[in-house]
Amino acid sequence: GNSVTQMEGPVTLSEEAFLTINCTYTATGYPSLFWYVQYPGEGLQLLLKATKADDKGSNKGFEATYRKETTSFHLEKGSVQVSDSAVYFCALSTGNQGGKLIFGQGTELSVKP
Amino acid sequence: AAGVIQSPRHLIKEKRETATLKCYPIPRHDTVYWYQQGPGQDPQFLISFYEKMQSDKGSIPDRFSAQQFSDYHSELNMSSLELGDSALYFCASSSGRAVSYGYTFGSGTRLTVV
Repeated sequence: GNSVTQMEGPVTLSEEAFLTINCTYTATGYPSLFWYVQYPGEGLQLLLKATKADDKGSNKGFEATYRKETTSFHLEKGSVQVSDSAVYFCALSTGNQGGKLIFGQGTELSVKP
Repeated sequence: AAGVIQSPRHLIKEKRETATLKCYPIPRHDTVYWYQQGPGQDPQFLISFYEKMQSDKGSIPDRFSAQQFSDYHSELNMSSLELGDSALYFCASSSGRAVSYGYTFGSGTRLTVV
Protein backbone atom coordinates (compact mmCIF):
# COMPACT_ATOMS: atom_id res chain seq x y z
CA GLY A 1 0.00 0.00 0.00
CA ASN A 2 0.91 3.66 -0.10
CA SER A 3 2.92 5.06 2.78
CA VAL A 4 5.19 7.90 3.85
CA THR A 5 8.16 7.67 6.19
CA GLN A 6 9.79 10.69 7.78
CA MET A 7 12.87 11.07 9.90
CA GLU A 8 12.08 10.98 13.55
CA GLY A 9 12.15 14.08 15.66
CA PRO A 10 12.45 16.18 17.52
CA VAL A 11 15.04 18.08 15.54
CA THR A 12 16.70 20.91 17.45
CA LEU A 13 18.71 23.53 15.58
CA SER A 14 20.24 26.90 16.26
CA GLU A 15 18.96 29.91 14.37
CA GLU A 16 20.48 30.24 10.87
CA ALA A 17 21.41 26.56 10.73
CA PHE A 18 20.72 24.40 7.67
CA LEU A 19 17.66 22.18 7.86
CA THR A 20 17.00 18.83 6.23
CA ILE A 21 14.00 16.67 7.07
CA ASN A 22 14.05 13.39 5.20
CA CYS A 23 10.92 11.94 3.63
CA THR A 24 10.59 8.79 1.56
CA TYR A 25 7.47 7.28 0.13
CA THR A 26 5.99 4.08 -1.25
CA ALA A 27 3.24 4.45 -3.79
CA THR A 28 1.60 2.77 -6.71
CA GLY A 29 1.22 5.05 -9.67
CA TYR A 30 2.52 8.59 -9.71
CA PRO A 31 1.72 10.43 -6.51
CA SER A 32 1.68 14.13 -5.83
CA LEU A 33 3.86 15.03 -2.87
CA PHE A 34 3.33 17.68 -0.23
CA TRP A 35 4.84 19.21 2.87
CA TYR A 36 2.44 20.56 5.46
CA VAL A 37 3.39 22.56 8.55
CA GLN A 38 1.49 22.65 11.84
CA TYR A 39 2.28 25.41 14.31
CA PRO A 40 1.39 24.80 17.96
CA GLY A 41 -2.35 24.75 18.50
CA GLU A 42 -3.11 25.40 14.85
CA GLY A 43 -4.29 23.54 11.79
CA LEU A 44 -2.30 22.16 8.88
CA GLN A 45 -0.94 24.61 6.33
CA LEU A 46 0.31 23.60 2.91
CA LEU A 47 3.96 24.57 2.74
CA LEU A 48 4.89 23.32 -0.72
CA LYS A 49 4.07 20.66 -3.27
CA ALA A 50 5.36 18.83 -6.34
CA THR A 51 3.24 16.90 -8.76
CA LYS A 52 5.73 15.06 -10.96
CA ALA A 53 9.26 13.73 -10.96
CA ASP A 54 12.05 16.34 -10.76
CA ASP A 55 9.60 19.09 -9.82
CA LYS A 56 10.89 21.38 -7.10
CA GLY A 57 8.41 22.89 -4.70
CA SER A 58 9.44 26.01 -2.82
CA ASN A 59 7.92 28.48 -0.38
CA LYS A 60 9.17 30.78 2.38
CA GLY A 61 12.76 29.62 1.84
CA PHE A 62 11.85 25.94 2.07
CA GLU A 63 12.48 23.62 -0.87
CA ALA A 64 11.86 19.99 -1.74
CA THR A 65 12.56 18.08 -4.95
CA TYR A 66 10.49 15.13 -6.13
CA ARG A 67 13.02 12.35 -6.68
CA LYS A 68 11.38 9.37 -8.34
CA GLU A 69 14.57 7.31 -8.50
CA THR A 70 15.04 7.46 -4.73
CA THR A 71 11.30 7.87 -3.91
CA SER A 72 12.18 10.85 -1.76
CA PHE A 73 10.94 14.37 -1.10
CA HIS A 74 13.35 15.80 1.46
CA LEU A 75 12.59 19.22 2.92
CA GLU A 76 15.44 21.76 3.12
CA LYS A 77 15.96 25.30 4.25
CA GLY A 78 19.25 27.13 4.16
CA SER A 79 18.81 29.24 7.29
CA VAL A 80 16.11 28.48 9.83
CA GLN A 81 14.48 31.00 12.13
CA VAL A 82 12.91 30.62 15.55
CA SER A 83 9.53 31.19 13.87
CA ASP A 84 10.03 27.98 11.85
CA SER A 85 9.54 25.91 15.00
CA ALA A 86 6.61 23.62 14.22
CA VAL A 87 5.74 20.07 13.23
CA TYR A 88 6.33 19.24 9.57
CA PHE A 89 4.36 16.53 7.78
CA CYS A 90 5.26 14.95 4.48
CA ALA A 91 2.25 13.60 2.58
CA LEU A 92 1.27 12.01 -0.69
CA SER A 93 -1.86 11.68 -2.72
CA THR A 94 -2.56 9.52 -5.74
CA GLY A 95 -5.15 10.08 -8.40
CA ASN A 96 -6.83 6.78 -7.75
CA GLN A 97 -7.60 7.65 -4.16
CA GLY A 98 -9.83 10.65 -4.79
CA GLY A 99 -7.56 13.18 -3.19
CA LYS A 100 -7.03 11.42 0.12
CA LEU A 101 -3.75 12.42 1.74
CA ILE A 102 -1.49 9.90 3.41
CA PHE A 103 0.75 11.53 5.99
CA GLY A 104 4.08 10.66 7.48
CA GLN A 105 4.36 10.62 11.24
CA GLY A 106 5.52 14.23 11.44
CA THR A 107 8.84 15.75 12.49
CA GLU A 108 8.96 18.31 15.25
CA LEU A 109 11.44 21.12 14.63
CA SER A 110 12.63 23.35 17.44
CA VAL A 111 14.83 26.32 16.55
CA LYS A 112 16.75 27.99 19.39
CA PRO A 113 17.93 31.62 19.27
CA ALA B 1 -9.31 35.21 1.51
CA ALA B 2 -12.03 32.97 2.88
CA GLY B 3 -10.80 29.83 4.57
CA VAL B 4 -12.31 26.58 5.75
CA ILE B 5 -14.38 27.24 8.85
CA GLN B 6 -14.86 24.60 11.50
CA SER B 7 -17.08 24.77 14.52
CA PRO B 8 -16.87 24.49 17.37
CA ARG B 9 -13.14 25.04 18.03
CA HIS B 10 -13.29 23.11 21.27
CA LEU B 11 -15.77 20.56 22.54
CA ILE B 12 -15.90 18.61 25.76
CA LYS B 13 -18.22 15.62 25.97
CA GLU B 14 -18.73 12.75 28.34
CA LYS B 15 -18.41 9.11 27.41
CA ARG B 16 -21.39 7.72 25.53
CA GLU B 17 -22.55 11.18 24.53
CA THR B 18 -22.99 12.43 20.96
CA ALA B 19 -21.07 15.18 19.21
CA THR B 20 -21.60 17.02 15.94
CA LEU B 21 -18.75 18.80 14.21
CA LYS B 22 -19.39 21.24 11.39
CA CYS B 23 -17.29 22.26 8.43
CA TYR B 24 -17.88 25.13 6.01
CA PRO B 25 -15.67 24.82 2.93
CA ILE B 26 -14.13 27.60 0.95
CA PRO B 27 -16.77 29.11 -1.39
CA ARG B 28 -17.10 27.18 -4.66
CA HIS B 29 -15.21 24.19 -3.23
CA ASP B 30 -17.27 21.07 -3.77
CA THR B 31 -15.12 18.47 -2.03
CA VAL B 32 -14.74 18.00 1.71
CA TYR B 33 -12.39 15.72 3.62
CA TRP B 34 -12.37 14.80 7.31
CA TYR B 35 -9.26 13.78 9.23
CA GLN B 36 -8.63 12.74 12.82
CA GLN B 37 -5.35 13.57 14.55
CA GLY B 38 -4.68 11.91 17.88
CA PRO B 39 -2.16 13.41 20.34
CA GLY B 40 1.30 13.35 18.83
CA GLN B 41 0.08 11.45 15.78
CA ASP B 42 -0.25 12.12 12.09
CA PRO B 43 -3.68 12.93 10.65
CA GLN B 44 -5.71 9.91 9.61
CA PHE B 45 -8.25 10.13 6.81
CA LEU B 46 -11.83 9.44 7.86
CA ILE B 47 -14.15 10.22 4.97
CA SER B 48 -14.64 12.52 1.98
CA PHE B 49 -17.50 13.92 -0.05
CA TYR B 50 -17.66 15.19 -3.61
CA GLU B 51 -20.75 17.00 -4.82
CA LYS B 52 -22.68 15.86 -1.75
CA MET B 53 -21.93 12.18 -2.32
CA GLN B 54 -19.51 10.13 -0.27
CA SER B 55 -16.42 9.67 -2.41
CA ASP B 56 -14.02 7.75 -0.19
CA LYS B 57 -13.98 6.18 3.24
CA GLY B 58 -11.04 5.60 5.52
CA SER B 59 -10.69 4.47 9.09
CA ILE B 60 -13.98 5.89 10.27
CA PRO B 61 -15.68 3.96 13.08
CA ASP B 62 -19.23 2.75 12.54
CA ARG B 63 -20.27 5.03 15.42
CA PHE B 64 -19.41 8.01 13.22
CA SER B 65 -21.39 9.25 10.26
CA ALA B 66 -21.06 12.26 8.02
CA GLN B 67 -22.80 14.01 5.22
CA GLN B 68 -22.43 16.96 2.90
CA PHE B 69 -25.40 19.26 2.49
CA SER B 70 -26.78 21.17 -0.48
CA ASP B 71 -24.77 24.27 0.48
CA TYR B 72 -21.64 22.03 0.55
CA HIS B 73 -21.08 22.32 4.27
CA SER B 74 -20.45 19.03 6.00
CA GLU B 75 -21.19 17.59 9.43
CA LEU B 76 -19.45 14.76 11.24
CA ASN B 77 -21.72 13.04 13.75
CA MET B 78 -20.08 10.99 16.47
CA SER B 79 -22.15 8.81 18.78
CA SER B 80 -21.39 6.66 21.82
CA LEU B 81 -18.23 8.64 22.37
CA GLU B 82 -15.23 6.86 23.84
CA LEU B 83 -12.17 8.26 25.59
CA GLY B 84 -10.11 7.28 22.55
CA ASP B 85 -12.13 9.61 20.36
CA SER B 86 -10.36 12.56 21.99
CA ALA B 87 -8.46 14.15 19.14
CA LEU B 88 -8.21 17.05 16.77
CA TYR B 89 -10.66 16.73 13.90
CA PHE B 90 -9.74 18.55 10.72
CA CYS B 91 -11.85 19.34 7.75
CA ALA B 92 -10.34 20.29 4.40
CA SER B 93 -11.87 21.41 1.13
CA SER B 94 -10.88 21.50 -2.51
CA SER B 95 -12.34 22.35 -5.88
CA GLY B 96 -13.05 19.07 -7.59
CA ARG B 97 -10.96 16.13 -6.58
CA ALA B 98 -7.88 18.20 -7.27
CA VAL B 99 -5.29 15.76 -6.11
CA SER B 100 -2.33 17.72 -7.34
CA TYR B 101 -3.27 20.99 -5.70
CA GLY B 102 -3.17 19.98 -2.10
CA TYR B 103 -6.13 21.33 -0.27
CA THR B 104 -6.93 23.81 2.46
CA PHE B 105 -7.43 22.68 6.02
CA GLY B 106 -9.54 24.32 8.68
CA SER B 107 -8.15 25.08 12.12
CA GLY B 108 -9.75 21.97 13.53
CA THR B 109 -12.10 21.03 16.34
CA ARG B 110 -10.46 19.75 19.49
CA LEU B 111 -12.72 17.11 20.99
CA THR B 112 -12.10 15.99 24.55
CA VAL B 113 -14.07 13.04 25.86
CA VAL B 114 -14.10 12.74 29.64
